[in-house]
Amino acid sequence: TQLLEQSPQFLSIQEGENLTVYCNSSSVFSSLQWYRQEPGEGPVLLVTVVTGGEVKKLKRLTFQFGDARKDSSLHITAAQTGDTGLYLCAGEPINDYKLSFGAGTTVTVRA
Amino acid sequence: NAGVTQTPKFQVLKTGQSMTLQCAQDMNHEYMSWYRQDPGMGLRLIHYSVGAGITDQGEVPNGYNVSRSTTEDFPLRLLSAAPSQTSVYFCASSYDYETSTDTQYFGPGTRLTVL
Repeated sequence: TQLLEQSPQFLSIQEGENLTVYCNSSSVFSSLQWYRQEPGEGPVLLVTVVTGGEVKKLKRLTFQFGDARKDSSLHITAAQTGDTGLYLCAGEPINDYKLSFGAGTTVTVRA
Repeated sequence: NAGVTQTPKFQVLKTGQSMTLQCAQDMNHEYMSWYRQDPGMGLRLIHYSVGAGITDQGEVPNGYNVSRSTTEDFPLRLLSAAPSQTSVYFCASSYDYETSTDTQYFGPGTRLTVL
């Protein structure tokens, strides 16, 4: 059983559309990270959120940490083909500095 | 800086064979870790190290050994390969073990197939 549940598992949208990926848990995290992974490469960190209710923006990407620090979301506005990839969330549980990863959401943006 | 490097990129083993996956970083990072990535399961922590001479088990340590004799290197040894160890293996490092405030850098991965 995974500590972090990501949904949806797969997402295919047209260029210019918006999308949201969710990362949920029943556990509380001291921080939560989002990564993007391209085929054949390792994950690359996009953002870290540490405060409940925190919202961070990275160009067209908006990340939100839930008030209770149990969930997070990633919203992409006006998706581009370059946004295609595997998006992973990873959380650091309270009192444990080891990261726990979600299974990932594969995003495909069609031209 | 080369960042985190892993060798080999691809490997095919027969059941029962042993091998070592190499990982090196040139960023003087204290924290290093090994993950395996399987379809639909995300990344799972195998072993980690908070500094030279210190290692500990992660979520799925069985069948794997590690050592950390230097800050730079963190090899992962498969003692007797099994088909269940077919996976993509990633090494990662960060400046400190406090990953909540520190960027974790991943290597490009080693794709291992055990027949």
